[in-house]
Amino acid sequence: KNEVEQSPQNLTAQEGEFITINCSYSVGISALHWLQQHPGGGIVSLFMLSSGKKKHGRLIATINIQEKHSSLHITASHPRDSAVYICAVTSNYGGATNKLIFGTGTLLAVQP
Amino acid sequence: DGGITQSPKYLFRKEGQNVTLSCEQNLNHDAMYWYRQDPGQGLRLIYYSQIVNDFQKGDIAEGYSVSREKKESFPLTVTSAQKNPTAFYLCASSFVLGGYTFGSGTRLTVV
Repeated sequence: KNEVEQSPQNLTAQEGEFITINCSYSVGISALHWLQQHPGGGIVSLFMLSSGKKKHGRLIATINIQEKHSSLHITASHPRDSAVYICAVTSNYGGATNKLIFGTGTLLAVQP
Repeated sequence: DGGITQSPKYLFRKEGQNVTLSCEQNLNHDAMYWYRQDPGQGLRLIYYSQIVNDFQKGDIAEGYSVSREKKESFPLTVTSAQKNPTAFYLCASSFVLGGYTFGSGTRLTVV
């Protein structure tokens, strides 16, 4: 079982829809990250959070430390939001300081 | 502008050859990382370095080597001992307490 699990693996939405991507983790963490990977492969960091909620434009990220769960929401989705969204946690698992453990990603396609 | 530069974007290697992937950052980050991405799998840590002249093995270090002679540079060599080197390789850097920046990646294909 992976330490970081995302759902769904694939998601297709119509433009304008509200989108939710979920992330659950099983290790102790110091922070959780939401990342965006476009078809070219480069990754952009969207959020780093250790508690509560953060908002940036149409993106909202929440985390529940007790339940070891985080969600990424996209409001008023647009075709340019189409990408792979990756959840990662910063953990001291295995003795490595500040080590990132990645989920397998959610492939989002927003259709016009 | 500050950032991470990975080169080349695409790389082809013949079986049995070593090849070196470049990663340079001008963010003054202390830590640098190399990850490998395969289809359907999460990114996996190959090597990381938290300080110049020091580096540690990650989860899948076999067949790879690195050096950290300068703070700005963390090159990764894929050696002929790596049995399945075809993959997407991603470099990242951070301050010790977080705040990651990722490169644009190098796609390596063995021909």
